[in-house]
Amino acid sequence: GAVVSQHPSWVICKSGTSVKIECRSLDFQATTMFWYRQFPKQSLMLMATSNEGSKATYEQGVEKDKFLINHASLTLSTLTVTSAHPEDSSFYICSATPALTGGYTFGSGTRLTVV
Amino acid sequence: QKEVEQNSGPLSVPEGAIASLNCTYSDRGSQSFFWYRQYSGKSPELIMFIYSNGDKEDGRFTAQLNKASQYVSLLIRDSQPSDSATYLCAVNGEAAGNKLTFGGGTRVLVKP
Repeated sequence: GAVVSQHPSWVICKSGTSVKIECRSLDFQATTMFWYRQFPKQSLMLMATSNEGSKATYEQGVEKDKFLINHASLTLSTLTVTSAHPEDSSFYICSATPALTGGYTFGSGTRLTVV
Repeated sequence: QKEVEQNSGPLSVPEGAIASLNCTYSDRGSQSFFWYRQYSGKSPELIMFIYSNGDKEDGRFTAQLNKASQYVSLLIRDSQPSDSATYLCAVNGEAAGNKLTFGGGTRVLVKP
């Protein structure tokens, strides 16, 4: 139980294009989901908190117009990287908190490469 | 000062030995403490979490929490080569809402 599914697992896109990443809670409802970014040999950095039915809360320094988050249902949150540039290349990971387990479950991550 | 600190390692451990990982945190109001294992190129996997002072054991893993010292540790007994990974300490509390703050991670190498 408590599975978070994330797609795609990897994507390569051209500079200037947009990429959408999906995060689904498969067997539980998630009113809140979290989006992280991880650069090589660094730890996870929280980008934003996605709230079902309301606006996302972004961490300081994260451009909300560049990283669009939509949490339209209790099981789906999406992160769209708009006008991607090579410096946006990173490992993006979502997570949610299943009420029954108490821990934070992570999706499998999306490796984004912008060329 | 970082909010959650870990020694980056690498921590080299012979197979079968005990690996001891440490983590300190700055927010005294922190309430929940998590240990994750992350293999290269993969997302973190939850090993265990602890809320109360003292020890919590789960298989070969033991988490130890000392809130007075703002210190949480993870012991891995009978270390196996498959335990070679980066171990992330994460903390949350009321002040941070429901958000996790991660340490930089400790890389563990278990040598056969």
